[in-house]
Amino acid sequence: KAGVTQTPRYLIKTRGQQVTLSCSPISGHRSVSWYQQTPGQGLQFLFEYFSETQRNKGNFPGRFSGRQFSNSRSEMNVSTLELGDSALYLCASSLALPRDTGELFFGEGSRLTVL
Amino acid sequence: GESVGLHLPTLSVQEGDNSIINCAYSNSASDYFIWYKQESGKGPQFIIDIRSNMDKRQGQRVTVLLNKTVKHLSLQIAATQPGDSAVYFCAEPDTGRRALTFGSGTRLQVQP
Repeated sequence: KAGVTQTPRYLIKTRGQQVTLSCSPISGHRSVSWYQQTPGQGLQFLFEYFSETQRNKGNFPGRFSGRQFSNSRSEMNVSTLELGDSALYLCASSLALPRDTGELFFGEGSRLTVL
Repeated sequence: GESVGLHLPTLSVQEGDNSIINCAYSNSASDYFIWYKQESGKGPQFIIDIRSNMDKRQGQRVTVLLNKTVKHLSLQIAATQPGDSAVYFCAEPDTGRRALTFGSGTRLQVQP
């Protein structure tokens, strides 16, 4: 069974640009979450999608957005990039919400560097 | 909101020894905790979870202990191996129980 696949794995952008990251969840998983990981802030929740609907959003500015497609694949977009957006962006899929199971299946992440 | 934190940023142990990674939480209503392992260059990987109706739960070479009185949980790894070298996070569902709140992590270094 294939795991969570994230693309691209590495990318470099400059301030002001935008970026789109892609995530393919494990087959059969309809919930897809995104987390940002930085040395200073650790792992922080961005948003969660289920059946193409954003069900929950973390405390990030509107420059961070996402969507989910009918095949459960998800994308996140960051517009007007800032230096502080440099981070590892992790996608996770699961069968259920954390209240039912805390077992999220994470991809290897997309490492974004903003210059 | 919940606050899940860690006592030590780095733990160094000898191969074959037992490791204990600690985690404190602040919300006495917290009732579900999860441990994750993140190896270098990889995403976090689920290890084990425990609900508040239990004090102890065992997995393969790992044991999680929950002390609700002092709001503390620990992850014990038996016979630590080089492959156990990683950052370990405790986590719990957030207030809305739709996302996980992660602690800051403990780096486990296994010395040969």
